Amino acid sequence: GAVVSQHPSRVICKSGTSVKIECRSLDFQATTMFWYRQFPKQSLMLMATSNEGSKATYEQGVEKDKFLINHASLTLSTLTVTSAHPEDSSFYICSAQNADRGNEQYFGPGTRLTVT
Amino acid sequence: GNSVTQMEGPVTLSEEAFLTINCTYTATGYPSLFWYVQYPGEGLQLLLKATKADDKGSNKGFEATYRKETTSFHLEKGSVQVSDSAVYFCALKTGGFKTIFGAGTRLFVKA
Repeated sequence: GAVVSQHPSRVICKSGTSVKIECRSLDFQATTMFWYRQFPKQSLMLMATSNEGSKATYEQGVEKDKFLINHASLTLSTLTVTSAHPEDSSFYICSAQNADRGNEQYFGPGTRLTVT
Repeated sequence: GNSVTQMEGPVTLSEEAFLTINCTYTATGYPSLFWYVQYPGEGLQLLLKATKADDKGSNKGFEATYRKETTSFHLEKGSVQVSDSAVYFCALKTGGFKTIFGAGTRLFVKA
């Protein structure tokens, strides 16, 4: 079946540094990927929709200059958390949409970011 | 706007008990409905789905029926196992591509 990977699975960084998270669709091309943030014991909050070859669409309240999204190829989207602060610590999950399977969404395993 | 409401957890059951997790939705148009499962420390996995009224989605002993008249998509399983302990998310998706998630219901199954 379709698989979406994320790298790294866990990352610890110091306050003020930037962290890049990769999301890859392994066996299909994804023109659209989504980035979510999940706080402990809460639901997923959509941060942005990433479209290959164009700018990402951010949800209201999400700072686009802080959460940089690049979807440079049909199998890779990256989320860069710039100048990270402890409040950015969270579980970040991406998903990729498979247009060949009725736009079904496949989720990555998530990346746990801890900012110290 | 579109929204999903699911029963608050946690739900604690003994092994082999019957499970129901309620989910209702509000949507314009005709959404597709989903249940996702999230095991500790992992991302979401699609458990089952239904794309039109009266469809029944089923997988791994879980099932849910798309009820348009009651705008519901309740998740059921006849006999739960310890390995079913996880968080379950009800979700809907319309033609606009965005998936709207419920708050999630945590299930604990005791041996």
